[in-house]
Amino acid sequence: QQPVQSPQAVILREGEDAVINCSSSKALYSVHWYRQKHGEAPVFLMILLKGGEQKGHEKISASFNEKKQQSSLYLTASQLSYSGTYFCGTSPQAGTALIFGKGTTLSVSS
Amino acid sequence: DAGVIQSPRHEVTEMGQEVTLRCKPISGHNSLFWYRQTMMRGLELLIYFNNNVPIDDSGMPEDRFSAKMPNASFSTLKIQPSEPRDSAVYFCASSFGGYYGYTFGSGTRLTVV
Repeated sequence: QQPVQSPQAVILREGEDAVINCSSSKALYSVHWYRQKHGEAPVFLMILLKGGEQKGHEKISASFNEKKQQSSLYLTASQLSYSGTYFCGTSPQAGTALIFGKGTTLSVSS
Repeated sequence: DAGVIQSPRHEVTEMGQEVTLRCKPISGHNSLFWYRQTMMRGLELLIYFNNNVPIDDSGMPEDRFSAKMPNASFSTLKIQPSEPRDSAVYFCASSFGGYYGYTFGSGTRLTVV
């Protein structure tokens, strides 16, 4: 039931792009993306709902393929502040709690 | 808004002692979640409430764990008796409905020695 994230880790230089994937073996109602910096709480980035459109936030956007039960997070022109661990959280229906993947660690250097 | 407030921030206790973690969700949010985070297991869902009612506690490890939400502005997670394997960061989060993201508290780092 836990979604699978790939890759486990990404190392980038400032300005490079990255894609983080999240897949589930179950039909999904919603996919959430969060970023967690070391020693801090996860912070909400965006939510994608079944039947919804692709969302974007500055240079970070995401897509949700309902048929494949997959979501991807796109980070373009990465900045140092993008470093952290990215988690996807999925729920099979409205009103149920998120189950989180194991996370993808992103390191951006100058 | 002050966000989700958890206390204490750090707790060190001896094996066998009772531990109580506290959470104040964001006013107006109707869902509250307790998660536990470790390096090995990642973020695990323990229990969640909708409108103060426990909906799913299947993630609670064993009977030593219990959670309550007596009103819309307060929840507790209790471990009795505590064991070293309970050491983790415990997060409380709240949200409004199924269309919005979760706001996490700063977490309680629990160490059981």
